[in-house]
Amino acid sequence: SQKIEQNSEALNIQEGKTATLTCNYTNYSPAYLQWYRQDPGRGPVFLLLIRENEKEKRKERLKVTFDTTLKQSLFHITASQPADSATYLCALSSGGSYIPTFGRGTSLIVHP
Amino acid sequence: DTAVSQTPKYLVTQMGNDKSIKCEQNLGHDTMYWYKQDSKKFLKIMFSYNNKELIINETVPNRFSPKSPDKAHLNLHINSLELGDSAVYFCASSQDLRDGGLETQYFGPGTRLLVL
Repeated sequence: SQKIEQNSEALNIQEGKTATLTCNYTNYSPAYLQWYRQDPGRGPVFLLLIRENEKEKRKERLKVTFDTTLKQSLFHITASQPADSATYLCALSSGGSYIPTFGRGTSLIVHP
Repeated sequence: DTAVSQTPKYLVTQMGNDKSIKCEQNLGHDTMYWYKQDSKKFLKIMFSYNNKELIINETVPNRFSPKSPDKAHLNLHINSLELGDSAVYFCASSQDLRDGGLETQYFGPGTRLLVL
């Protein structure tokens, strides 16, 4: 069966360090992958999208990589700040279906 | 200026009641969705509407009935509420993807439903 796995344990890091979050998937042939941020009591907010033929995407302090051989995406936040503390969700979309399937998210806590 | 809005934000009700949640988007999108996020934080698609037509209906009890009076609105009516319906319900919208658009979802703030 199709699975999207994100680390269920919270990631704790110090301010200024680079946070790296992982999204692994099985039994998917994703056309593209998205990362969203969700703050407590709020809806998810879109951050970045990367297509299957792209290796890396950047936006300001954010970087996403996509390795379809390893079936993995890594999400990096450089120079992390306490304001980056949130839950980060990855979502996969297969070719032919236009509805993304979401992972359960990983909580990031950036300590001052 | 709110892109996707939902009402109410909180809904506390007794088992067996019928309730509705309203959603509106002012982004001009053709496609709208309802998601359910349970206590384990999984965000699952329930329904998808494109230009007022039902496109996706995942395995959802028929006590849940979406209604789209126009492409900017997608309401969710729930009959005979059960304890297991307690969750956060998110409305979302996106551009029409069937012309090769991308599925970036714009979410509302969520409706926290608690069934007692």
